[in-house]
Amino acid sequence: GESVGLHLPTLSVQEGDNSIINCAYSNSASDYFIWYKQESGKGPQFIIDIRSNMDKRQGQRVTVLLNKTVKHLSLQIAATQPGDSAVYFCAENVVGGYQKVTFGTGTKLQVIP
Amino acid sequence: EAGVAQSPRYKIIEKRQSVAFWCNPISGHATLYWYQQILGQGPKLLIQFQNNGVVDDSQLPKDRFSAERLKGVDSTLKIQPAKLEDSAVYLCASSLRAGQGMLDGYTFGSGTRLTVV
Repeated sequence: GESVGLHLPTLSVQEGDNSIINCAYSNSASDYFIWYKQESGKGPQFIIDIRSNMDKRQGQRVTVLLNKTVKHLSLQIAATQPGDSAVYFCAENVVGGYQKVTFGTGTKLQVIP
Repeated sequence: EAGVAQSPRYKIIEKRQSVAFWCNPISGHATLYWYQQILGQGPKLLIQFQNNGVVDDSQLPKDRFSAERLKGVDSTLKIQPAKLEDSAVYLCASSLRAGQGMLDGYTFGSGTRLTVV
């Protein structure tokens, strides 16, 4: 299918290496952050989340780091695999009564076999 | 558990025509969202329903876009008339409930790819 990452920044990583994808957010009122993976022709898929009272959270092969001082979020993928190739979006949950997920600019991850 | 179902998967229409998209959320999910994803960008929220009521439609172009969620389950999003810049993927998502600060089963469908020519 047509790629969703046609005009996005691209990160190329050798299979087996670690990947780091960065994201800046602008709303200091956001208190919850999420990383999504989007493969071509599919909707975004939840990877990992973190609340603003934490600065690090680990999942299976993935780690999210949050730096509230500079409003920066990163996603680290260990031992990157070909199946990790996709577009990755960070998203923030805006405080204000109802869940509303706001997406940032994506990064296309290309894994080189 | 069945996911969020959307149809059609693809749609090509001429500008000024009308089009409608359908979404069936995960069973029991009270909150439903419609997003627009233009090629190369992140999804942008168009409208959010809590059961059958609208809680946020601030970014919905109401002169041409409309959405409804009758009976608090399925939802349709309509564009009338379509413009070239409406070409995008329209994603539907649902979650168990809103207002909790944490995502609660927030799940996306695969989307409908609209091309306006």
